[in-house]
Amino acid sequence: AAGVIQSPRHLIKEKRETATLKCYPIPRHDTVYWYQQGPGQDPQFLISFYEKMQSDKGSIPDRFSAQQFSDYHSELNMSSLELGDSALYFCASSPDRNPYEQYFGPGTRLTVT
Amino acid sequence: GQQVMQIPQYQHVQEGEDFTTYCNSSTTLSNIQWYKQRPGGHPVFLIQLVKSGEVKKQKRLTFQFGEAKKNSSLHITATQTTDVGTYFCAADNYGQNFVFGPGTRLSVLP
Repeated sequence: AAGVIQSPRHLIKEKRETATLKCYPIPRHDTVYWYQQGPGQDPQFLISFYEKMQSDKGSIPDRFSAQQFSDYHSELNMSSLELGDSALYFCASSPDRNPYEQYFGPGTRLTVT
Repeated sequence: GQQVMQIPQYQHVQEGEDFTTYCNSSTTLSNIQWYKQRPGGHPVFLIQLVKSGEVKKQKRLTFQFGEAKKNSSLHITATQTTDVGTYFCAADNYGQNFVFGPGTRLSVLP
């Protein structure tokens, strides 16, 4: 069965640089979520999209922005990167029948040096 | 804001022993989900509970939702080494906020 695809899987950036993370949800899933998970921490909800519109906003910094495109893939844009942004970034998607049944991608490990 | 707490933070058990993790909220929840994350892996959806007092079973796993919909538990009978990982509850209080609990990290000694 198709799963959530995230790219890249690993990313190394320097402070003050920008990064773009991509997420391709499971086909026919219309909701996408972004999470940030630090080492030993629980996933922190950043933002979600339903049918290409932002649906919920969590603890996403102003330096970050995200959008969902017409093909339902989503991108998380991160600017002015800080050392504290180093984390695993997960994307999850869920079907319309149950927005709480989230299927997570493998994550992108971002390291800011 | 809404807070979801989990206890214990860590649990070490001998293979074959039972394990329980508890999830508690300060507010009434509309539903609760449980996820498992293996070391180095991503969270995997296990189950969702919606009704007050609901009990669901998946093989050796038993999930309960409290009568007041403020707490939940996950019980594993006769743990196996494949049960190793962090178990998160995640909750939503009627659309106001979606949060994960801090997780319970389970170690199973063979």
